[in-house]
Amino acid sequence: IAGITQAPTSQILAAGRRMTLRCTQDMRHNAMYWYRQDLGLGLRLIHYSNTAGTTGKGEVPDGYSVSRANTDDFPLTLASAVPSQTSVYFCASSGRGAPYNEQFFGPGTRLTVL
Amino acid sequence: GEDVEQSLFLSVREGDSSVINCTYTDSSSTYLYWYKQEPGAGLQLLTYIFSNMDMKQDQRLTVLLNKKDKHLSLRIADTQTGDSAIYFCAESIRRDGGATNKLIFGTGTLLAVQP
Repeated sequence: IAGITQAPTSQILAAGRRMTLRCTQDMRHNAMYWYRQDLGLGLRLIHYSNTAGTTGKGEVPDGYSVSRANTDDFPLTLASAVPSQTSVYFCASSGRGAPYNEQFFGPGTRLTVL
Repeated sequence: GEDVEQSLFLSVREGDSSVINCTYTDSSSTYLYWYKQEPGAGLQLLTYIFSNMDMKQDQRLTVLLNKKDKHLSLRIADTQTGDSAIYFCAESIRRDGGATNKLIFGTGTLLAVQP
């Protein structure tokens, strides 16, 4: 693989269910991010991780949790999904070496909570 | 506060120039970016500008930065149908003494190019 992969591509989920969105990068980037994209609101940061073993809260962290056990993987978990979490979720990563802090994005996961 | 604003929609004819505008609020931003999102795909970096520059040109793309007014624009010359996409403006925010680099994105501008 090259770049960032996300799984699943799309998912329909019943409210109250637990769901983990997966994200893997093979660029050895130290920082990773989770965003949600909603019409008219752009991308909003959910959680981020500056390096393996650390995580931080973004703009809209409530209802979501993340872990960063290693450099490559950054899963996002919805403990008990609600309809307002229907969105397109993007994972991104950036490396310390990029002077302009470019973030590389995965293809996204479209999640529908009914 | 941290806020980035863009108009939601722009329609142009093929061959014309497109200008997409953005305003931001954090005067300490080091870099400002334009990302492009094609249908069904993630975002890709289109171009960026360092905060001490006024203008950057890259082939058909021209970025103008007015730091006084906190205004950023992207001009696409000779716009093609393949330029149809959503364009996001973003500013970089450094926190925790530089340990954290975050991007604040605008709402995105949908560019529709009519043949």
